Amino acid sequence: KNEVEQSPQNLTAQEGEFITINCSYSVGISALHWLQQHPGGGIVSLFMLSSGKKKHGRLIATINIQEKHSSLHITASHPRDSAVYICAVPGRSGGGADGLTFGKGTHLIIQP
Amino acid sequence: NAGVTQTPKFRILKIGQSMTLQCTQDMNHNYMYWYRQDPGMGLKLIYYSVGAGITDKGEVPNGYNVSRSTTEDFPLRLELAAPSQTSVYFCASSYSGPGQGTNSPLHFGNGTRLTVT
Repeated sequence: KNEVEQSPQNLTAQEGEFITINCSYSVGISALHWLQQHPGGGIVSLFMLSSGKKKHGRLIATINIQEKHSSLHITASHPRDSAVYICAVPGRSGGGADGLTFGKGTHLIIQP
Repeated sequence: NAGVTQTPKFRILKIGQSMTLQCTQDMNHNYMYWYRQDPGMGLKLIYYSVGAGITDKGEVPNGYNVSRSTTEDFPLRLELAAPSQTSVYFCASSYSGPGQGTNSPLHFGNGTRLTVT
């Protein structure tokens, strides 16, 4: 079973700041997920990545397979980015159909 | 597309009662999952299915049952509700398994907040 550690657990920043959220996992994987949970509770998928970097708007996700580490960056942060950001990896090394192992999430608050 | 639809949104059960959480998706996804989310904890897999007629246990299956008679529907049954089952439940689906490539993101329902008293 893969273990997932996220840091920080909580992050409060001012609007406009550059945000970095980190995720480390213990077993080699084929893909890593970044998810966003809105204050209302809904969960949406932000990224799936297996190497390098992906960008969507102001969000950037990177992964270093050798170091078993991924980061999620938010540029020019805005109060609407306030949410819980969750990292997840396949439950078994090498992937598989038995769902994901989730980190506990990073609770991000962007103040105006 | 409605995506993944979960019902009900909220429910209060008494200890020992039973209920079924409904989940349906209209994306023709093969893979469906039930997760529970407890405060301060990561989501935990209860049951999953890789296609109609196929289900398997996840990390925390005790006290729950599932069925997958169609591709679209994946209901979760709680028998003899206990306070430990107080949680937020999420149904999710994906076209392929979560580790199979990077073009099959998970789609989540809006969750069901269940309280057992």
